[in-house]
Amino acid sequence: DVKVTQSSRYLVKRTGEKVFLECVQDMDHENMFWYRQDPGLGLRLIYFSYDVKMKEKGDIPEGYSVSREKKERFSLILESASTNQTSMYLCASSRVSYNEQFFGPGTRLTVL
Amino acid sequence: GESVGLHLPTLSVQEGDNSIINCAYSNSASDYFIWYKQESGKGPQFIIDIRSNMDKRQGQRVTVLLNKTVKHLSLQIAATQPGDSAVYFCAEILYTGANSKLTFGKGITLSVRP
Repeated sequence: DVKVTQSSRYLVKRTGEKVFLECVQDMDHENMFWYRQDPGLGLRLIYFSYDVKMKEKGDIPEGYSVSREKKERFSLILESASTNQTSMYLCASSRVSYNEQFFGPGTRLTVL
Repeated sequence: GESVGLHLPTLSVQEGDNSIINCAYSNSASDYFIWYKQESGKGPQFIIDIRSNMDKRQGQRVTVLLNKTVKHLSLQIAATQPGDSAVYFCAEILYTGANSKLTFGKGITLSVRP
């Protein structure tokens, strides 16, 4: 059973804290993605990676960075969390570019 | 997630009826389209896809129709079941090499009445 896992389901942080969200996939996929999902706004792409150590900005990269040191792991970093980064964060992976993506269960991050 | 369905249009159908979920996409040059389903508390799950050179594609109990003339995509679910209750997203993909673009629709909530 193929799987994308995320390190936490729920996370509460304070403004200014550094936040790490981790994602692991076991499908040997080249491509990995980070999205945020907000009510009424749908899924918005933050960053994606098409290979180890490679990254590309998505539609809303401001305030975020990413790291991909191993093929199976893709981390999203909030250098200094702010309240407007309170959201649901979803990680996904795919074998071919933007084709069928496999999503993790999401991390609901609350920044106080 | 659990709040995904807030602020979204809702389609309510009777169990056993057919459902039609519609999506208007934005770019007439988009190459590829996908429908995803997101159940409460879970990440989106791939349902079916279609390429721009096709008008129709069928899966198990689902059919996707593509009308490029009016930039319209629809998902038909036959004999809707309670387990079909979820938020449904369409996605359009434009492949242009380094500048490929993926855009998700905002989603529609499907509610199945028993």
